[in-house]
Amino acid sequence: KNEVEQSPQNLTAQEGEFITINCSYSVGISALHWLQQHPGGGIVSLFMLSSGKKKHGRLIATINIQEKHSSLHITASHPRDSAVYICAVLRAGSYQLTFGKGTKLSVIP
Amino acid sequence: GAGVSQTPSNKVTEKGKYVELRCDPISGHTALYWYRQSLGQGPEFLIYFQGTGAADDSGLPNDRFFAVRPEGSVSTLKIQRTERGDSAVYLCASSLSGGGGETQYFGPGTRLLVL
Repeated sequence: KNEVEQSPQNLTAQEGEFITINCSYSVGISALHWLQQHPGGGIVSLFMLSSGKKKHGRLIATINIQEKHSSLHITASHPRDSAVYICAVLRAGSYQLTFGKGTKLSVIP
Repeated sequence: GAGVSQTPSNKVTEKGKYVELRCDPISGHTALYWYRQSLGQGPEFLIYFQGTGAADDSGLPNDRFFAVRPEGSVSTLKIQRTERGDSAVYLCASSLSGGGGETQYFGPGTRLLVL
C-alpha cells in the first residue's frame, strides 16, 4: 500500500462545479503539500499545511492530522484549473517528500 | 532568472551511455532537491542538498546515480551506464533554507529517454 493515496485518480467536471480531491496518508508527518502540475511537466506549489485550513482565491485546503487526511477544494471550477493535482507529505523527522500519484482533473466548458 | 531552470529540457541517449542533467536553483536558495517522475506516477525523491553537501541521498536508486553541487548553487545529476528504466522526467526544486517544511519551487524538468 502506498504511503500517500489520492482519490479520485481521474475527475471530470463541468465548469462552475465544486471540486474535492482527497489525500490520505499512513505515516506521521510534519507538513503536507498540495501541488499542481500542468501538461508539459511544470509543478507549482499551491499550499503547505501542518494543521487546519488555508485558502487562496478559489482554492481551499484542509487537513485533519488525527485522521491523516487532507482535502483540496476548488470552488467555481474553470477549464484553466485542468491539471494534475498532487498531494505530498513531509515525513516527521525527514527532509523527504513522499508523493501521491496525483489526481487528473479535467474541467469542461 | 527568476525561477528554477533545468537543462537540457529533453535528452535522448542510448543504453549504456553517460548523461548529465543540470539544475540552476533560485538565487539565494540553500536547499536543492532532485526528484524523478515516471509516466503516470508522482515524483520520487532522489537527493537533497543543503549548501554544497548532500544531506540525504537515500533516494538514489543505485550507484550509477550521483549528484554534486560544488559551489552551493548549480547542481548536476549524473547517471552512468544508463538503462531503459532510467527513462523519466527528472525534476529539480529549490527552497530558501531547507528542512522540507517550506515551499519548494520546481523547475520544468528534464525529460530523459534511454533507447
